[in-house]
This record gives sequence, C-alpha cells and structure tokens, in this order.
Amino acid sequence: DTAVSQTPKYLVTQMGNDKSIKCEQNLGHDTMYWYKQDSKKFLKIMFSYNNKELIINETVPNRFSPKSPDKAHLNLHINSLELGDSAVYFCASSQDTPIPSEAFFGQGTRLTVV
Amino acid sequence: AQKVTQAQTEISVVEKEDVTLDCVYETRDTTYYLFWYKQPPSGELVFLIRRNSFDEQNEISGRYSWNFQKSTSSFNFTITASQVVDSAVYFCALSEGAYNFNKFYFGSGTKLNVKP
Repeated sequence: DTAVSQTPKYLVTQMGNDKSIKCEQNLGHDTMYWYKQDSKKFLKIMFSYNNKELIINETVPNRFSPKSPDKAHLNLHINSLELGDSAVYFCASSQDTPIPSEAFFGQGTRLTVV
Repeated sequence: AQKVTQAQTEISVVEKEDVTLDCVYETRDTTYYLFWYKQPPSGELVFLIRRNSFDEQNEISGRYSWNFQKSTSSFNFTITASQVVDSAVYFCALSEGAYNFNKFYFGSGTKLNVKP
C-alpha cells in the first residue's frame, strides 16, 4: 500500500502548456505539501495545506496553483510552463497533532519542459 | 540565512569505512524537530530518524547512529562499516515552533559515494 502516491512519475511537455500533478495520501494526515527539487538536489517547499487550507505559500509564481479537494488530496496545477520549471516535484504529508510527525514523501514527479 | 547547513557536498569512502555526515541547524525556538532523510539513486525520499529538541540522547539503529548536540546546534549522522547500498544523498531537515510544524527546512544534502 503506497502511503503517498503522486502521478504521473514522469512528465515531458512543451513550453507554454498547462499540466497537473496529482497527489493522494492514505495516512489520514492533516497536512500536505509540495516540494520542488532542482538539478542541484536542493529541496524547497512550495506550498503547505492543513485540512484543505493553504498555510504556506513560498513566493511561488502564481502560474502554480495547488488545489485540495479534501485533506487526502493536494494537486498541483501549473499554467504556461517555462523551461525553469523543469525539476522533480515531491508531494508529502505529515500529521501535526498531537505530536508533529515526520513528512512522508511520494515518489516524485520528474517534470521536463522542452 | 540557511536554517540547515550541510557543509559536505560530497563524500567518497571505501566500503567498510565509517563516515560521518554533518548537519548544523539554526533556530530561535525551544521546541523543534530534526530529521534525516535518505535519497537513493532511485529518487525517493526515505525517512531515517526524527529527534525532538528536548531529547539529546544519542540514537543507534544498526549501523546508523545520530549525535544530537544542542550546545553546537548539530545533529550529525554516522554510518559504521559503510556498504555500497548506503550510496545516496542524505538530507538533514528542521521543523520548528510549538504551533507551526508545517514547514520542513531541508539542508542542501550530502552525496555519499561508497566504493567497493
């Protein structure tokens, strides 16, 4: 059973296109995240949602729009893709109450914009 | 300022050597959590350990051990008798605040190469 699953695993698309990455967690966690890992392996938080509410938005371009239909899902939609958006995107979840847990990560989605 | 610093970008060792990966963090909070993650070549992020700021006891799990020193704001990770399968990028992370643990700050990672 996959705890945090994201699809697709690989995504190759042309500049200017709009694409979505889906994420689902079956751990019952109340917080979900999107992280971006660049070519130098640096992991940077993009968004965090707690019980479907946005709580962290790290100055990400508004071409990126997360959507959380329920607390088990956090999808990432990207408009007008640019070359610089090429990276690996990780979805994660954690439980913040009663004691903060570690973040559980999905397998990652390697996005290549050509 | 970087909240989590992993000064070693890349380390190469020969199998069976011991290796220590350094992690230095910065926070003003008294309540915080520290983590280590492993990212093997396959790309997934694997959780290794979580420590809270009130527990400075060192931890050992098989060949892995962690040394948490609040006095030097360090949370170092040692692999004893390294194996080729330990080759990966290792990330140290910090989550801080009594009511705001929703943000994990990651270090830049240390790539460990274990050669046979």
